[in-house]
Amino acid sequence: DGGITQSPKYLFRKEGQNVTLSCEQNLNHDAMYWYRQDPGQGLRLIYYSQIVNDFQKGDIAEGYSVSREKKESFPLTVTSAQKNPTAFYLCASITWAGHTEAFFGQGTRLTVV
Amino acid sequence: SQQGEEDPQALSIQEGENATMNCSYKTSINNLQWYRQNSGRGLVHLILIRSNEREKHSGRLRVTLDTSKKSSSLLITASRAADTASYFCATDAGRTGGFKTIFGAGTRLFVKA
Repeated sequence: DGGITQSPKYLFRKEGQNVTLSCEQNLNHDAMYWYRQDPGQGLRLIYYSQIVNDFQKGDIAEGYSVSREKKESFPLTVTSAQKNPTAFYLCASITWAGHTEAFFGQGTRLTVV
Repeated sequence: SQQGEEDPQALSIQEGENATMNCSYKTSINNLQWYRQNSGRGLVHLILIRSNEREKHSGRLRVTLDTSKKSSSLLITASRAADTASYFCATDAGRTGGFKTIFGAGTRLFVKA
């Protein structure tokens, strides 16, 4: 069953802690993206990766870090430097085969307690 | 910065009516896509229109694109309560834009049964 999987669905973090959100895809897509969504808002791009071992900052990369050691995996770490991390995080993989289509995971809701 | 900006921000209609949402963007694009998001879930791709196309249909969806005005519209005909969701436009400029896919803030559609 092909798709993109995010885990966990809900995550609670204490202030000052780093947490890592998982994103795995078996669609064989080269490109993977992380977006942040605040209540009632659109998606803002955090980081994206077009190919293994390469990634680029998006519009709101401060306080976040990523790695892309495998094609299937693009984990996002929310560091203690991110001052307002409570949000809904969405991971997507994107195919460029003749057109663009983003396939999204079901999201991770991160709450700072 | 957001590339796509949807209008209106929210729309409430009766079942059976048509719903029209608009999207404006700022820079040249390779294509424009529309996505749907049910509350608390990931986004699902609805339809893509290329920069050299003016209109496209898919079932009850009709998308138009006016590159001279840098705008697109999504029409949902004969709406149903199940169409209640947020709708986002997304643009990418291909290689010129660094392959970034940028989403707008979305239109929240509520269809009353």
